[in-house]
Amino acid sequence: GAGVSQSPSNKVTEKGKDVELRCDPISGHTALYWYRQSLGQGLEFLIYFQGNSAPDKSGLPSDRFSAERTGGSVSTLTIQRTQQEDSAVYLCASSSRLEGSQETQYFGPGTRLLVL
Amino acid sequence: GENVEQHPSTLSVQEGDSAVIKCTYSDSASNYFPWYKQELGKRPQLIIDIRSNVGEKKDQRIAVTLNKTAKHFSLHITETQPEDSAVYFCAASKGYSSASKIIFGSGTRLSIRP
Repeated sequence: GAGVSQSPSNKVTEKGKDVELRCDPISGHTALYWYRQSLGQGLEFLIYFQGNSAPDKSGLPSDRFSAERTGGSVSTLTIQRTQQEDSAVYLCASSSRLEGSQETQYFGPGTRLLVL
Repeated sequence: GENVEQHPSTLSVQEGDSAVIKCTYSDSASNYFPWYKQELGKRPQLIIDIRSNVGEKKDQRIAVTLNKTAKHFSLHITETQPEDSAVYFCAASKGYSSASKIIFGSGTRLSIRP
């Protein structure tokens, strides 16, 4: 079946502009994560959605970052007034988190963001 | 909350030798421990996982061990090959229906010398 998809695959923007990154999780997956990965670095947790629970936003680096998950499926990560240090690959992952299921995270291909 | 420490941050081994990557976790309620491999320019992918009711799991050249008492788990790669060169991430989480998130280690960059 279809895996996690993200769009756009690449985004170049000017400093100060807003950007929206989209994630389509695997159908039926209740958990969705956003991570940021700078070049050669690890996975920086940003935000976590699980079913109808309030999202865990503890990883968002500033109030310029926000995310939504509409209808328990598609998620959008928004970065307002982008800064050069926001340049990174933004990865989305989804997992089932249902009783009896294997809790594997499936990652999307990422969106490579470059802020000039 | 949960904290996962991973060592070493970089590891270089001769082709054919074994590689070992170690992780520790802080929350004794964690019961699921996956390992992900990320090749250059690609997304992380699950290579093996272990649950807390098992002490060891093997899949061909890859094995993972878990010591619940000491709260640490390790990835072992035997007979390393050039295609094993990648960044490896360990992770821990607390269970199927928990609302808690999965926590990743900081990663280990493994290089296989020809």
